[in-house]
Amino acid sequence: EVHLVESGGGLVQPGRSLRLSCTASGFIFGDNAMSWVRQAPGKGLESVGFIRGKAYGGTTGYAASVKGRFTISRDDSKSIAYLQMNSLKTEDTAVYYCTSGYYLDYFEDWGQGTLVTVSS
Amino acid sequence: QSALTQEASVSGTVGQKVTLSCTGNSNNIGTYTVGWYQQISHDAPKTVMFGNSLPSGIPDRFSGSKSGTTASLTISGLQPEDEADYYCSTWDFSLSAQVFGGGTKVTVL
Repeated sequence: EVHLVESGGGLVQPGRSLRLSCTASGFIFGDNAMSWVRQAPGKGLESVGFIRGKAYGGTTGYAASVKGRFTISRDDSKSIAYLQMNSLKTEDTAVYYCTSGYYLDYFEDWGQGTLVTVSS
Repeated sequence: QSALTQEASVSGTVGQKVTLSCTGNSNNIGTYTVGWYQQISHDAPKTVMFGNSLPSGIPDRFSGSKSGTTASLTISGLQPEDEADYYCSTWDFSLSAQVFGGGTKVTVL
């Protein structure tokens, strides 16, 4: 059974940084793309970005709203994906979900989410 | 403004068949597999369909289809526990990004 567990969320001031982790189990981690999806309070789902699996070179992509501020990486030896968030803005306040899937067309599995609140 | 268009709300009675739609274009739905996600209250989303494939553990009253640039999720025999928000997503090659619909709220009357 696939398990994705996010950690690292919390309250942070605007302009500061935060790193989220997603610890995975139950599948061959290196084969899958790992993506981050967020949901602002009362809003719908928004893709933040992704990192492809090793068969596709581990390349990354980001939403326009976070490009240049957020970085996604992975450690296949530990089955962990990371979301490094810099220069945080109040509009980055959301629940952040880690997702996995072999293809980028759709998300197969989801974590339980971690709340990030950006406020002074 | 979401890249994919979904109805804001759909309702039905227990046992009724309801169909949700997700409309895009040739850069996304017309080319790639569409995923559907159920979010009950404020829980984490759960994948209920990708393409016309049912993930393990999802009841077979859920089915998926696609025609051109519109994908559909059908719930045949609506149950009280199906009341939730449903989102669709896929890949968009012109944006090089994963895109979502705005979500459809399903209410069981």
